[in-house]
Amino acid sequence: AQSVTQLDSHVSVSEGTPVLLRCNYSSSYSPSLFWYVQHPNKGLQLLLKYTSAATLVKGINGFEAEFKKSETSFHLTKPSAHMSDAAEYFCVVSARPGGGNKLTFGTGTQLKVEL
Amino acid sequence: DTGVSQNPRHKITKRGQNVTFRCDPISEHNRLYWYRQTLGQGPEFLTYFQNEAQLEKSRLLSDRFSAERPKGSFSTLEIQRTEQGDSAMYLCASSLGQSNHYNSPLHFGNGTRLTVT
Repeated sequence: AQSVTQLDSHVSVSEGTPVLLRCNYSSSYSPSLFWYVQHPNKGLQLLLKYTSAATLVKGINGFEAEFKKSETSFHLTKPSAHMSDAAEYFCVVSARPGGGNKLTFGTGTQLKVEL
Repeated sequence: DTGVSQNPRHKITKRGQNVTFRCDPISEHNRLYWYRQTLGQGPEFLTYFQNEAQLEKSRLLSDRFSAERPKGSFSTLEIQRTEQGDSAMYLCASSLGQSNHYNSPLHFGNGTRLTVT
């Protein structure tokens, strides 16, 4: 079985400051990990994915995440927050090999960006 | 941009009524998924299809729920005898998957928001 734990339900930052959204995972297999973003009344959009290649993954809109096996973590970062980054972010782990792409989502982190 | 399309966007129904939602995936995608998202939670897996075959169903999918993908293209999700607890956002996603390739990303639609009164 696989699961993810998002350690913060809400994060608030000032525009121009760094963003850190924390995620820990649990998986019986070498996991595939993703971050998705959901803006109000919009569909989920893939930010980035880790699939056992480089441990530092770069995504869209300046976001990146680092896979740390020893810490079972996959934290999402961005050097400088923008107002448009305000949204809900989900850390996601993929299912067991051969199990399709069934994804297990975390409970989400609501990011607020203040002026 | 022909992304994943879901209809209707919103559905309000009375308890006990049946409802049906439709999902049109990205045309070349062979895998289609249904998820449910309640307020303050992440999406939860309901079921998925590879082409027209329904390969997995979650325990969340009670016998009042049925999903079909008759020709391996669009899919429908029907809820019979709706209950207030069925109120949620129902999300559809699609992907291009191969038998041992389990990490191709899912593309999500904007969802159908169901309110049962």
